[in-house]
Amino acid sequence: QKEVEQNSGPLSVPEGAIASLNCTYSDRGSQSFFWYRQYSGKSPELIMFIYSNGDKEDGRFTAQLNKASQYVSLLIRDSQPSDSATYLCAVEKGGGADGLTFGKGTHLIIQP
Amino acid sequence: GAVVSQHPSRVICKSGTSVKIECRSLDFQATTMFWYRQFPKQSLMLMATSNEGSKATYEQGVEKDKFLINHASLTLSTLTVTSAHPEDSSFYICSAKKRTYEQYFGPGTRLTVT
Repeated sequence: QKEVEQNSGPLSVPEGAIASLNCTYSDRGSQSFFWYRQYSGKSPELIMFIYSNGDKEDGRFTAQLNKASQYVSLLIRDSQPSDSATYLCAVEKGGGADGLTFGKGTHLIIQP
Repeated sequence: GAVVSQHPSRVICKSGTSVKIECRSLDFQATTMFWYRQFPKQSLMLMATSNEGSKATYEQGVEKDKFLINHASLTLSTLTVTSAHPEDSSFYICSAKKRTYEQYFGPGTRLTVT
């Protein structure tokens, strides 16, 4: 079983709509959860992190975490063409000194 | 801000030579830095965790004698790929931890071994 799973897509969303990205993880001991955006040929850019159950909002982005279901999601409101990228879900076990385990990413395309 | 730099951004070397990649946190001190590798169309894979003043911790399957890591200060970690071979060609990305949760990535180094 893969540790962090994401639908690879592509996920196509019209401009202005809400894009919903999902991620599941297998390690129940995971403590922190991250969403990164990666453009082709570039390194990942941190969008949000979340560590408590529930929702966390930052501008157009909302991260949602459900530890019981081992599920984390990212909503992007008012999607823009510049949001087109690969979105990586990453999980940290905890303790403050752990590296991240990444999913393979979801390729998001915002159609003008 | 949280800026992490890497140098060089791109390097081509011949098989059997060694390559050093530098990772610097420019506007914060990072007690922990990480090195990742990303092959084409794959996700990032953690190679090692680097703590200032101590030996790096390597992930299973990563040869510590081949990938030498030195974390000389709170703002600098280096990765040396020794005796590089074509299969080591990859995108190497470092990250630095700012505070408890946030991990910021450098721009990456694209290594091509011919």
